[in-house]
Amino acid sequence: DAGVIQSPRHEVTEMGQEVTLRCKPISGHDYLFWYRQTMMRGLELLIYFNNNVPIDDSGMPEDRFSAKMPNASFSTLKIQPSEPRDSAVYFCASSLAGGIQETQYFGPGTRLLVL
Amino acid sequence: RKEVEQDPGPFNVPEGATVAFNCTYSNSASQSFFWYRQDCRKEPKLLMSVYSSGNEDGRFTAQLNRASQYISLLIRDSKLSDSATYLCAGGVAGGFKTIFGAGTRLFVKA
Repeated sequence: DAGVIQSPRHEVTEMGQEVTLRCKPISGHDYLFWYRQTMMRGLELLIYFNNNVPIDDSGMPEDRFSAKMPNASFSTLKIQPSEPRDSAVYFCASSLAGGIQETQYFGPGTRLLVL
Repeated sequence: RKEVEQDPGPFNVPEGATVAFNCTYSNSASQSFFWYRQDCRKEPKLLMSVYSSGNEDGRFTAQLNRASQYISLLIRDSKLSDSATYLCAGGVAGGFKTIFGAGTRLFVKA
C-alpha cells in the first residue's frame, strides 16, 4: 500500500494567493483528517470527514480555509487568500474506522511557506 | 490550559539510559490515549496505544493513571535511533477527535 499521499510536498507562495493542498487517503479508509503543525501551536486538527462528509470543522481557523472531499480517494484543503501566518506543515491522515482507538496514518505533509 | 500537555524537553540522554516522559490531559472524558513518534521533518507515526492500565512493547512501556489524568512513556536501554519527538494524544469516545500534545524532544547521544 502506498500510504497516504499528499501533494505538493512543498509550496512557496505570496500573500494573497490561493493555495490548494491535496490528499489521497489509504484505500478503504473511511475517515480523513486534516491537521496543521507549527512550532508555536503543535499539531492541530482542522477538519475531518467520514465517508466524504465533513463531520467536524471546528478547528478550521477562519473562512479563508475550506476543505472538500468529492470522493473516497481525494480531498483538498484550500486557503484563499493565504497569509504569512498560514505558514506551517499541513498533514492529512486517514483511518480505517472512526473510533478513537483506530490508528491514524499520516501522509508526509505539505510544507507551506507564505511570503 | 491545553487539553493535552507535555514537557517539551529536550531530553538529552546517553545510549543505554532509561528515560520517561509524562503527559497530562484535562478532559476527564478522554478514553483512549496514544504515543506517536515523529522524526525530524517527517510525519507522526503511531508508537503505542494505551487503553487501560498500560502496555509494553519491547523497550517501550506506556502507563495510564486515570485518577491523576496522565500517561507516561518509558524507554529502556535507549538507542541512538530513538532520537525523535514523542507526541502524546488523547481521544474522547463518540467524537472521533484526537487531541495531540506539543511533543517532547529526545536526543540520545553515543
